Amino acid sequence: SQQGEEDPQALSIQEGENATMNCSYKTSINNLQWYRQNSGRGLVHLILIRSNEREKHSGRLRVTLDTSKKSSSLLITASRAADTASYFCATDTPETSGSRLTFGEGTQLTVNP
Amino acid sequence: NAGVMQNPRHLVRRRGQEARLRCSPMKGHSHVYWYRQLPEEGLKFMVYLQKENIIDESGMPKERFSAEFPKEGPSILRIQQVVRGDSAAYFCASSLAGLAGAYEQYFGPGTRLTVT
Repeated sequence: SQQGEEDPQALSIQEGENATMNCSYKTSINNLQWYRQNSGRGLVHLILIRSNEREKHSGRLRVTLDTSKKSSSLLITASRAADTASYFCATDTPETSGSRLTFGEGTQLTVNP
Repeated sequence: NAGVMQNPRHLVRRRGQEARLRCSPMKGHSHVYWYRQLPEEGLKFMVYLQKENIIDESGMPKERFSAEFPKEGPSILRIQQVVRGDSAAYFCASSLAGLAGAYEQYFGPGTRLTVT
């Protein structure tokens, strides 16, 4: 598996439920970012968490980072149909910080009305 | 307050032709990144540029692909003699700072290249 691997690949929930997506990575990181991509569109930056942070919140989003397990989770609370999209985690390493991001394959979230 | 601009949004080329993709970073950003996304996959890094400099091109195919970010004007990703396997979405991102800091990368809407 590659750096930045999301789990599950696809998730289907009802409006109002919470959605949790996980990301695992292999090497040490400096930062981990989550992005959303609506079908056929560009990426929207959601949140950045640094390696020395454990949790961050932004509106209905909550991101956790466990560097000992090399994993992160993205929680979307009280989901809406408009949250339907693909969600990607992206990492940069001490060697590449500020340079290239390594993306996972994404989780396709479907929120049913 | 324009974001990252890319044009064209869609580009169709026949095999053997050249494709030129343009990217204008967000105002004040001097770091530009190009990524490629194949259908149903995540983004793969291609190249990182600052004005007039290629900083990291480790993700660029060795042949047919080149990128530049001139002192004036947009960044250009150029693909010569396109083949069907080049069909993909190409995304440009920009950031406020590169190696010196950990700043978010903001993405453009992408250029969808179709090679027929």
